[in-house]
Amino acid sequence: EPEVTQTPSHQVTQMGQEVILRCVPISNHLYFYWYRQILGQKVEFLVSFYNNEISEKSEIFDDQFSVERPDGSNFTLKIRSTKLEDSAMYFCASRGGTGSTDTQYFGPGTRLTVL
Amino acid sequence: DAKTTQPPSMDCAEGRAANLPCNHSTISGNEYVYWYRQIHSQGPQYIIHGLKNNETNEMASLIITEDRKSSTLILPHATLRDTAVYYCIVRVSGGYQKVTFGIGTKLQVIP
Repeated sequence: EPEVTQTPSHQVTQMGQEVILRCVPISNHLYFYWYRQILGQKVEFLVSFYNNEISEKSEIFDDQFSVERPDGSNFTLKIRSTKLEDSAMYFCASRGGTGSTDTQYFGPGTRLTVL
Repeated sequence: DAKTTQPPSMDCAEGRAANLPCNHSTISGNEYVYWYRQIHSQGPQYIIHGLKNNETNEMASLIITEDRKSSTLILPHATLRDTAVYYCIVRVSGGYQKVTFGIGTKLQVIP
């Protein structure tokens, strides 16, 4: 069964450094998402991406964050200057298209630790 | 998206059916009921969704009341691997809508 993959599984970085989290969505999916989950808290939406542009973003997704689909397979989340509070699990998700089977499928996550 | 209410935790004996309730009294006519689960810090996993008819797949059954104000997710034969947080989410289908997660129900399957 096709699945969303994410790399790395765990990223440790120093405060102020840039990180890029990578995701390979399910092939032929059209909608892409990033979510995050701070330890012990709810899964929070960050951003959705469709047709090579951001379709919606949350208040969390400020100027420090950016997303990109550099080729036909990867979807990346960049954090320009990490802060301690960016430590969290980051989940990528993708969805095929419109219709009643428009389920979002999530990847296994990247654990980001900012020191 | 309509608000949902779930019990914070439930226990279920291994091999028995797990029935997880969800109230969504403000659901709109075009909103679906989705269920996801999250097994300890893994990515949320889609389980099932429905509009008004009961649904069944290889993982679970979804029973939606006739007035659509509540639903029940049924895991017919719970195993230890079903221990997870289960999220009931009500949302419109289509478009690029995000999934808004609540606190969910922590299901503990007991040997």
